[in-house]
Amino acid sequence: QVHLLQSGAEVKKPGASVRVSCKVSGYSLKELSVHWVRQAPGKGLEWMGGFDREEEDTFYAQKFKGRVTVTEDTITDTSYLQIRNMRFEDTAVYYCVTVGALRSLEAFDIWGQGTRVSVSP
Amino acid sequence: YVLTQPPSVSVAPGMTARITCGGNKIGSRRVHWYQQKSGQAPVVVVQDDDDRPSGIPDRFSGSNSGNTATLIITSVEVADEADYYCQVWDNSSEDRVFGGGTKLSVL
Repeated sequence: QVHLLQSGAEVKKPGASVRVSCKVSGYSLKELSVHWVRQAPGKGLEWMGGFDREEEDTFYAQKFKGRVTVTEDTITDTSYLQIRNMRFEDTAVYYCVTVGALRSLEAFDIWGQGTRVSVSP
Repeated sequence: YVLTQPPSVSVAPGMTARITCGGNKIGSRRVHWYQQKSGQAPVVVVQDDDDRPSGIPDRFSGSNSGNTATLIITSVEVADEADYYCQVWDNSSEDRVFGGGTKLSVL
């Protein structure tokens, strides 16, 4: 049974950086792809980017390229999301999600509990 | 690639709810559906157009053809009240795309 445990809530000032972690248990990170999805207050889901295990490459949504980095540590089975130069509109709940834990090769099959990140002056 | 969902759908308990997801030639892509209850993380309820993950009731099903994919929930229960999102992988851009979400109200 795959389980994702994310790091705790963060409060950051505009212009700062944040790093959110996602620890995978019950599975080896080497057998999964981990992506990141965010949800601003009262808004819908937005894919940010992730590492595709099949392609052995990291992909980002256009709006996040250059400001967001997804990395992973396969020794500790942990994925990381870093956001630089944070803005007020980055206030959101950030979810890590897996692809490949269940039957589908595409669906976001397991979700972390979410990490609330607030950007405040 | 843009996915279009109705903002809201209302249905009476015991009836059938249909939530649509429109996209150009969406029938050629695999569509996944997520349920998000208030204050909780989303859960996949239908993957790859019509496959139900383990633990999801068989009241949930999906179809996908032409320019429209549909999530079908039969014998709707009050517990099904949630936001529902469709999602596809656009392999031309490598983007994962979500629809805007549909709020299901059970009246």
